[in-house]
Amino acid sequence: QSMLTQPPSVSGAPGQRVTISCTGSSSNIGAGFHVHWYQKLPGAAPKLLIYGDTNRPSGVPDRFSGSKSGTSASLAITGLQTEDEADYYCQSYDISLSGSWVFGGGTKLTVL
Amino acid sequence: QVQLVESGGGVVQPGRSLRLSCAASGFNFNSYAMYWVRQAPGKRLEWVAVISSDESNKYYADSVKGRFAISRDISKNTVYLQMNSLRAEDTAVYYCARDGGWMKNFDYWGQGTLVTVSS
Repeated sequence: QSMLTQPPSVSGAPGQRVTISCTGSSSNIGAGFHVHWYQKLPGAAPKLLIYGDTNRPSGVPDRFSGSKSGTSASLAITGLQTEDEADYYCQSYDISLSGSWVFGGGTKLTVL
Repeated sequence: QVQLVESGGGVVQPGRSLRLSCAASGFNFNSYAMYWVRQAPGKRLEWVAVISSDESNKYYADSVKGRFAISRDISKNTVYLQMNSLRAEDTAVYYCARDGGWMKNFDYWGQGTLVTVSS
């Protein structure tokens, strides 16, 4: 099945802005399926951060935002805080083969 | 609040079986599809199985098709994953997750349970 591609790591200083990319293909993001983002802290359950490309669940700070264009999506985090240090995963749906939910490889955010 | 609590993980020999459970609370369990998602050491998250709210539809990742079975018990608000013919590559943390709706996402996750397949 097709996968989503993320950079292995990104970093930024407190207060800065970082972006994490998620590249898919014509069988997932390019087919119009939504992109979702999850934050995973060590030893914790994944937490839904952005759903439907751009929407934040209640309780997620507006420092987190999502966008999508063509076969790619991005997660932006502004005003970086030390507690933002975590792994971030994008997720979509893929219609190749029998159809399945697919994830990116994850991006480790380090707050310097 | 929504809670999902997995249990049943452990160390098991290749070829043997294990059943995972996920106890749900804080929402109307009967109204939601439920998923199992796993993450092997150093690997990406991988969707494993899904069961519809009324148990009429079940789908599996190709990597587990024919070996794993998902089910649910509405009287216990619990979803299960029966894992048979386990292989070393099934070693992972297994998470249950709740369906986020038509956008095909997962809106709540459990903390996960570790399954290690090793002789």
